[in-house]
Amino acid sequence: QVQLVQSGAEVKKPGASVKVSCKASGYTFTGYYLHWVRQAPGQGLEWMGCINPNTGTTTYAQKFQGSVTLTSATSISTAYMELSRLRSDDTAVYYCARVAVRGVIGDAFDIWGQGTTVTVSS
Amino acid sequence: SYELTQPPSVSVSPGQTANVTCSGNKLGNKYTFWYQQRPGQSPMLVIYRDNKRPSGIPERFAGSSSGNTATLTISGTQAMDEADYYCQAWDRTLGFFGSGTQVTVL
Repeated sequence: QVQLVQSGAEVKKPGASVKVSCKASGYTFTGYYLHWVRQAPGQGLEWMGCINPNTGTTTYAQKFQGSVTLTSATSISTAYMELSRLRSDDTAVYYCARVAVRGVIGDAFDIWGQGTTVTVSS
Repeated sequence: SYELTQPPSVSVSPGQTANVTCSGNKLGNKYTFWYQQRPGQSPMLVIYRDNKRPSGIPERFAGSSSGNTATLTISGTQAMDEADYYCQAWDRTLGFFGSGTQVTVL
Protein backbone atom coordinates (compact mmCIF):
# COMPACT_ATOMS: atom_id res chain seq x y z
CA GLN A 1 0.00 0.00 0.00
CA VAL A 2 1.00 3.62 -0.45
CA GLN A 3 2.83 4.83 2.63
CA LEU A 4 5.46 7.17 3.98
CA VAL A 5 7.62 5.92 6.82
CA GLN A 6 9.74 8.41 8.73
CA SER A 7 12.84 8.00 10.81
CA GLY A 8 12.80 7.84 14.58
CA ALA A 9 12.76 10.47 17.27
CA GLU A 10 15.77 12.73 17.74
CA VAL A 11 17.15 14.72 20.65
CA LYS A 12 19.54 17.51 19.76
CA LYS A 13 21.34 20.35 21.46
CA PRO A 14 20.78 23.98 20.48
CA GLY A 15 22.91 24.96 17.51
CA ALA A 16 23.10 21.43 16.14
CA SER A 17 21.47 20.07 12.98
CA VAL A 18 18.98 17.26 12.47
CA LYS A 19 18.14 15.24 9.37
CA VAL A 20 14.81 13.44 9.15
CA SER A 21 14.08 10.86 6.48
CA CYS A 22 10.82 9.91 4.81
CA LYS A 23 10.76 6.64 2.86
CA ALA A 24 8.05 6.22 0.26
CA SER A 25 6.59 2.93 -0.93
CA GLY A 26 3.70 1.71 -3.02
CA TYR A 27 3.88 4.40 -5.69
CA THR A 28 6.26 6.06 -8.16
CA PHE A 29 8.40 8.23 -5.88
CA THR A 30 9.48 10.62 -8.62
CA GLY A 31 5.94 11.37 -9.72
CA TYR A 32 4.67 13.29 -6.71
CA TYR A 33 5.79 16.33 -4.75
CA LEU A 34 6.70 15.69 -1.12
CA HIS A 35 6.05 18.35 1.48
CA TRP A 36 7.15 18.88 5.07
CA VAL A 37 4.89 20.16 7.82
CA ARG A 38 5.73 20.65 11.47
CA GLN A 39 3.70 20.90 14.65
CA ALA A 40 5.09 22.32 17.86
CA PRO A 41 3.70 20.91 21.12
CA GLY A 42 0.08 21.97 21.55
CA GLN A 43 0.23 24.10 18.42
CA GLY A 44 -1.10 23.97 14.87
CA LEU A 45 0.31 22.74 11.60
CA GLU A 46 2.98 24.78 9.86
CA TRP A 47 3.99 24.27 6.23
CA MET A 48 7.76 24.25 5.75
CA GLY A 49 8.40 23.52 2.10
CA CYS A 50 8.47 20.86 -0.58
CA ILE A 51 10.60 19.01 -3.08
CA ASN A 52 10.01 17.62 -6.52
CA PRO A 53 11.79 14.26 -6.19
CA ASN A 54 12.10 13.98 -9.96
CA THR A 55 14.01 17.21 -10.51
CA GLY A 56 15.24 18.05 -7.00
CA THR A 57 13.58 21.45 -7.25
CA THR A 58 12.65 22.85 -3.85
CA THR A 59 10.30 25.51 -2.54
CA TYR A 60 10.54 26.83 1.01
CA ALA A 61 8.32 28.87 3.26
CA GLN A 62 9.91 32.24 3.84
CA LYS A 63 10.39 31.47 7.52
CA PHE A 64 12.53 28.44 6.76
CA GLN A 65 14.66 29.74 3.91
CA GLY A 66 18.28 29.37 4.92
CA SER A 67 17.65 26.97 7.79
CA VAL A 68 15.93 24.03 6.06
CA THR A 69 17.35 21.90 3.26
CA LEU A 70 15.17 19.40 1.45
CA THR A 71 16.75 16.64 -0.60
CA SER A 72 15.80 13.30 -2.05
CA ALA A 73 17.45 10.04 -3.07
CA THR A 74 15.45 8.53 -5.89
CA SER A 75 17.33 5.21 -5.84
CA ILE A 76 15.89 4.47 -2.40
CA SER A 77 12.64 6.48 -2.69
CA THR A 78 13.55 8.59 0.29
CA ALA A 79 13.20 12.30 1.01
CA TYR A 80 15.12 14.17 3.67
CA MET A 81 14.56 17.31 5.71
CA GLU A 82 17.59 18.85 7.35
CA LEU A 83 17.12 21.65 9.85
CA SER A 84 20.22 23.52 10.97
CA ARG A 85 21.06 25.91 13.81
CA LEU A 86 18.44 24.30 15.99
CA ARG A 87 16.73 26.32 18.71
CA SER A 88 14.41 25.23 21.48
CA ASP A 89 11.41 26.47 19.52
CA ASP A 90 12.24 23.96 16.78
CA THR A 91 11.01 21.26 19.15
CA ALA A 92 8.13 19.75 17.21
CA VAL A 93 6.74 16.78 15.37
CA TYR A 94 7.84 16.87 11.75
CA TYR A 95 5.66 15.27 9.09
CA CYS A 96 6.25 14.48 5.45
CA ALA A 97 3.20 14.43 3.23
CA ARG A 98 2.54 13.55 -0.39
CA VAL A 99 0.49 15.68 -2.76
CA ALA A 100 -2.33 13.64 -4.23
CA VAL A 101 -2.00 14.78 -7.84
CA ARG A 102 0.92 13.59 -9.93
CA GLY A 103 3.27 16.38 -10.89
CA VAL A 104 1.33 19.12 -9.09
CA ILE A 105 3.09 21.14 -6.42
CA GLY A 106 0.05 22.27 -4.46
CA ASP A 107 -3.04 20.18 -3.91
CA ALA A 108 -4.39 17.84 -1.25
CA PHE A 109 -2.04 15.96 1.04
CA ASP A 110 -3.39 12.46 0.71
CA ILE A 111 -0.65 10.46 2.42
CA TRP A 112 1.16 11.50 5.60
CA GLY A 113 4.11 10.02 7.40
CA GLN A 114 3.72 8.99 11.02
CA GLY A 115 5.69 12.00 12.22
CA THR A 116 9.15 12.37 13.75
CA THR A 117 9.56 14.06 17.10
CA VAL A 118 12.56 16.36 17.30
CA THR A 119 13.43 17.66 20.74
CA VAL A 120 15.93 20.48 21.12
CA SER A 121 17.26 20.77 24.62
CA SER A 122 20.53 21.60 26.31
CA SER B 1 2.28 35.65 3.67
CA TYR B 2 -1.33 34.49 3.57
CA GLU B 3 -3.39 34.23 6.72
CA LEU B 4 -6.21 31.77 7.40
CA THR B 5 -8.36 32.37 10.45
CA GLN B 6 -10.33 29.69 12.26
CA PRO B 7 -12.27 29.78 15.54
CA PRO B 8 -10.29 28.07 18.31
CA SER B 9 -13.15 25.81 19.29
CA VAL B 10 -16.59 24.60 18.30
CA SER B 11 -18.89 22.56 20.51
CA VAL B 12 -21.65 20.36 19.20
CA SER B 13 -24.10 17.86 20.64
CA PRO B 14 -24.13 14.32 19.27
CA GLY B 15 -26.31 14.10 16.18
CA GLN B 16 -26.26 17.85 15.59
CA THR B 17 -24.43 19.88 12.95
CA ALA B 18 -21.03 21.47 13.47
CA ASN B 19 -19.79 24.27 11.24
CA VAL B 20 -16.11 25.15 11.19
CA THR B 21 -15.21 28.32 9.34
CA CYS B 22 -11.95 29.39 7.73
CA SER B 23 -11.44 32.96 6.57
CA GLY B 24 -8.82 34.38 4.26
CA ASN B 25 -8.48 37.14 1.70
CA LYS B 26 -10.33 36.05 -1.45
CA LEU B 27 -10.24 32.47 -0.19
CA GLY B 28 -13.11 31.63 -2.51
CA ASN B 29 -10.73 32.13 -5.43
CA LYS B 30 -8.49 29.37 -4.15
CA TYR B 31 -9.11 25.73 -3.28
CA THR B 32 -9.57 24.96 0.41
CA PHE B 33 -8.55 21.65 1.94
CA TRP B 34 -9.61 20.33 5.35
CA TYR B 35 -7.68 17.97 7.60
CA GLN B 36 -8.80 16.13 10.72
CA GLN B 37 -6.24 15.39 13.41
CA ARG B 38 -7.01 13.23 16.40
CA PRO B 39 -4.66 13.34 19.41
CA GLY B 40 -1.39 11.59 18.75
CA GLN B 41 -2.19 10.93 15.10
CA SER B 42 -1.09 12.32 11.78
CA PRO B 43 -3.54 14.63 10.01
CA MET B 44 -6.02 13.05 7.63
CA LEU B 45 -7.65 14.66 4.60
CA VAL B 46 -11.43 14.94 4.93
CA ILE B 47 -12.29 17.52 2.23
CA TYR B 48 -10.31 18.55 -0.83
CA ARG B 49 -10.81 21.27 -3.43
CA ASP B 50 -13.48 23.02 -1.37
CA ASN B 51 -16.16 20.35 -1.36
CA LYS B 52 -14.90 16.94 -2.46
CA ARG B 53 -14.71 13.96 -0.13
CA PRO B 54 -11.88 11.45 -0.44
CA SER B 55 -12.78 7.81 -0.64
CA GLY B 56 -13.67 6.46 2.79
CA ILE B 57 -14.71 9.78 4.32
CA PRO B 58 -18.31 9.64 5.57
CA GLU B 59 -20.98 11.65 3.78
CA ARG B 60 -21.63 13.65 6.94
CA PHE B 61 -18.51 15.67 6.09
CA ALA B 62 -19.14 18.44 3.57
CA GLY B 63 -17.33 21.57 2.47
CA SER B 64 -18.26 24.86 0.84
CA SER B 65 -16.48 28.06 -0.07
CA SER B 66 -17.47 31.54 -1.19
CA GLY B 67 -16.03 35.01 -0.94
CA ASN B 68 -13.55 35.11 1.92
CA THR B 69 -14.85 32.09 3.84
CA ALA B 70 -14.71 28.33 3.55
CA THR B 71 -16.82 26.12 5.79
CA LEU B 72 -16.52 22.53 6.91
CA THR B 73 -19.87 21.09 7.92
CA ILE B 74 -20.22 17.92 9.94
CA SER B 75 -23.80 16.71 9.94
CA GLY B 76 -25.06 14.19 12.45
CA THR B 77 -21.85 14.62 14.42
CA GLN B 78 -20.58 11.52 16.17
CA ALA B 79 -18.27 11.14 19.15
CA MET B 80 -15.55 9.89 16.82
CA ASP B 81 -15.56 13.27 15.02
CA GLU B 82 -14.10 14.95 18.08
CA ALA B 83 -10.73 16.21 16.84
CA ASP B 84 -8.81 19.24 15.64
CA TYR B 85 -9.65 20.45 12.16
CA TYR B 86 -7.31 22.51 9.99
CA CYS B 87 -8.08 24.35 6.79
CA GLN B 88 -5.33 24.74 4.25
CA ALA B 89 -4.87 26.69 1.03
CA TRP B 90 -2.21 27.50 -1.54
CA ASP B 91 -1.03 30.97 -2.38
CA ARG B 92 0.79 30.38 -5.63
CA THR B 93 3.25 27.62 -4.67
CA LEU B 94 3.28 28.30 -0.93
CA GLY B 95 1.14 26.39 1.52
CA PHE B 96 -0.72 27.90 4.46
CA PHE B 97 -2.68 26.30 7.29
CA GLY B 98 -5.31 27.81 9.50
CA SER B 99 -4.66 27.85 13.23
CA GLY B 100 -6.99 24.92 13.78
CA THR B 101 -10.38 24.39 15.42
CA GLN B 102 -10.97 21.94 18.22
CA VAL B 103 -14.36 20.29 17.72
CA THR B 104 -15.81 18.98 20.95
CA VAL B 105 -18.78 16.64 20.94
CA LEU B 106 -20.59 17.20 24.22
